[in-house]
Amino acid sequence: LAKTTQPISMDSYEGQEVNITCSHNNIATNDYITWYQQFPSQGPRFIIQGYKTKVTNEVASLFIPADRKSSTLSLPRVSLSDTAVYYCLVNPSGTYKYIFGTGTRLKVLA
Amino acid sequence: DTAVSQTPKYLVTQMGNDKSIKCEQNLGHDTMYWYKQDSKKFLKIMFSYNNKELIINETVPNRFSPKSPDKAHLNLHINSLELGDSAVYFCASSQVENTEAFFGQGTRLTVV
Repeated sequence: LAKTTQPISMDSYEGQEVNITCSHNNIATNDYITWYQQFPSQGPRFIIQGYKTKVTNEVASLFIPADRKSSTLSLPRVSLSDTAVYYCLVNPSGTYKYIFGTGTRLKVLA
Repeated sequence: DTAVSQTPKYLVTQMGNDKSIKCEQNLGHDTMYWYKQDSKKFLKIMFSYNNKELIINETVPNRFSPKSPDKAHLNLHINSLELGDSAVYFCASSQVENTEAFFGQGTRLTVV
């Protein structure tokens, strides 16, 4: 399974766009890239998933370059409630095992 | 309607006791999981079950015994609790062909 590396923490201000980059150099051909969000005292929650290029939903965008060795989660106009830990996962479809790394602790300041 | 629900939410118990945590999902998923999140916030998989069968056991001590009476339930029984078992335990479920997992709210276990 591909190992992921992300910044341990980030600070941002309300209304700014936040980009969190994840490195996954040994990603396999059938791996998908998935991001989860975890608030204190809650379980992780799925945000977005992609395989290549760009994916956008109502919450975030995911940018994946052609070599797929990294990915960037983009959160537009963050608010205080976006303060959470964000995890990047790389897993094949059909996996029985989701491997969570250390995650990025995002703190949004007023 | 809670998709993945765990009970209890909090559990405080003495060393040496035996305790159980229950998990139920109403999503119709085939696969269920138990994760442990320690004080340093590392989320580590413990078990995966698919259609009531154990698929993954991540070198978890034998004191931990998962039981899946049906596809919608995966309970975790822990014997002879130790201080190091104190953590938050999360249950999750997914459809195998989809990489999106749904997590419960967690059970905070404190062993004193």
